[in-house]
Amino acid sequence: QSVLTQPPSVSGALGQRVTISCTGSTSNIGSRYDVFVHWYQQRPGTVPKLLIYGENNRPSGVPDRFSASKSGASASLAINGLQAEDEADYYCQSYDSSLTRLLFGGGTKLTVL
Amino acid sequence: EVQLLQSGGVVVQPGRSLRLSCAASGFTLGDYSMHWVRQAPGKGLEWVALIHWDEDSTSVKGRFIISRDVDKNSLYLQINTVRPEDSAFYYCAKVGRPMAPIREDYFKDWGQGTLVTVSS
Repeated sequence: QSVLTQPPSVSGALGQRVTISCTGSTSNIGSRYDVFVHWYQQRPGTVPKLLIYGENNRPSGVPDRFSASKSGASASLAINGLQAEDEADYYCQSYDSSLTRLLFGGGTKLTVL
Repeated sequence: EVQLLQSGGVVVQPGRSLRLSCAASGFTLGDYSMHWVRQAPGKGLEWVALIHWDEDSTSVKGRFIISRDVDKNSLYLQINTVRPEDSAFYYCAKVGRPMAPIREDYFKDWGQGTLVTVSS
């Protein structure tokens, strides 16, 4: 069981908005120190791709339909205007000060209906 | 352009050791912390090992040893006494910011992956 908890799956229709949650604790996402949550997209059969880093920053080429937020010990990835190409697995990643290492959420499979 | 080119897939018997390599180009290896991440077939991502940019520290899970050769621009992961549960794709990954503390690390660039199959 992952330290960062994500829903196993979410779905949404084309054009809709979906959110994916990532719930941690005070030793990681909810830390009193600056701890960021980063997000990755992995389409089937491909290498993971950085989607969001830091406080809602998108690497070049990532559309602004993707955004992230954090509140307390939880973080969320929002995808607006769902497109068929968004169908993929999504992972959150952060740092845990108790474990003193980086860690990933268990991943969420997004299905576009 | 940053490139991370990993060694080819390998089949190894349980109990043996193996070393994976990752050839880096397009950046100065000594300026960036580097990580290994693995993914068993059909499973999620799992962090495996870190070598800090200043090589003052490494952090690994269990039977893994991470090292680098800045002269060869290469990163390595040695896995000792392999087990069937070590079967996975192994990715080398470069962090996003040079000379950053681990708490700020995120994985900006990824190698293509090396499939390790542990089987007798």
